[in-house]
Amino acid sequence: SQTIHQWPATLVQPVGSPLSLECTVEGTSNPNLYWYRQAAGRGLQLLFYSVGIGQISSEVPQNLSASRPQDRQFILSSKKLLLSDSGFYLCAWISVGGMGTFGSGTRLTVV
Amino acid sequence: DQQVKQNSPSLSVQEGRISILNCDYTNSMFDYFLWYKKYPAEGPTFLISISSIKDKNEDGRFTVFLNKSAKHLSLHIVPSQPGDSAVYFCAASAGAGGTSYGKLTFGQGTILTVHP
Repeated sequence: SQTIHQWPATLVQPVGSPLSLECTVEGTSNPNLYWYRQAAGRGLQLLFYSVGIGQISSEVPQNLSASRPQDRQFILSSKKLLLSDSGFYLCAWISVGGMGTFGSGTRLTVV
Repeated sequence: DQQVKQNSPSLSVQEGRISILNCDYTNSMFDYFLWYKKYPAEGPTFLISISSIKDKNEDGRFTVFLNKSAKHLSLHIVPSQPGDSAVYFCAASAGAGGTSYGKLTFGQGTILTVHP
């Protein structure tokens, strides 16, 4: 079965500091990977997706970037965090039909 | 612009009774609908889905109904159990091919509490 590892679970960062969230996948090869974010009171919003190494598509303009250095690794980054970057970040592997495996998420608070 | 809406932030049900969670959507291009369940401090887990060519899909205690004309779907849980207490997210996608199936649009979620 597929497993998504995501860390850290919680993170408190000052405004202007850099960010790196890592996600690794087990149990599948060449997965389509997705980064979602849930802001307070909102549903999950798709940020980035990747269909393979080095291939990144951005869904919304933002202060964040993503990279796919290896087949099973997906990284979310920022050079300088904003207060509005606070939220709950989820990495997911999603198969045809929308059935997905999500990581346990990272609660990011920018102060 | 919220294309998928869950208008009830919370729902409280007695154990053994039916839980009905509702979801409305506005984008007529959506052709695949899913329900995810989420426990605190965990990522969402897939529960059940339905294609737009169907109006009902059943899996054990869980049934999803789709009313395309009303752009409405619902999740029925019968009978409800205390372990069903969680946040339920409705999600939709447009196009089953390519990468579209992972580009899910989620509702805000409904907190279901099932009392013993």
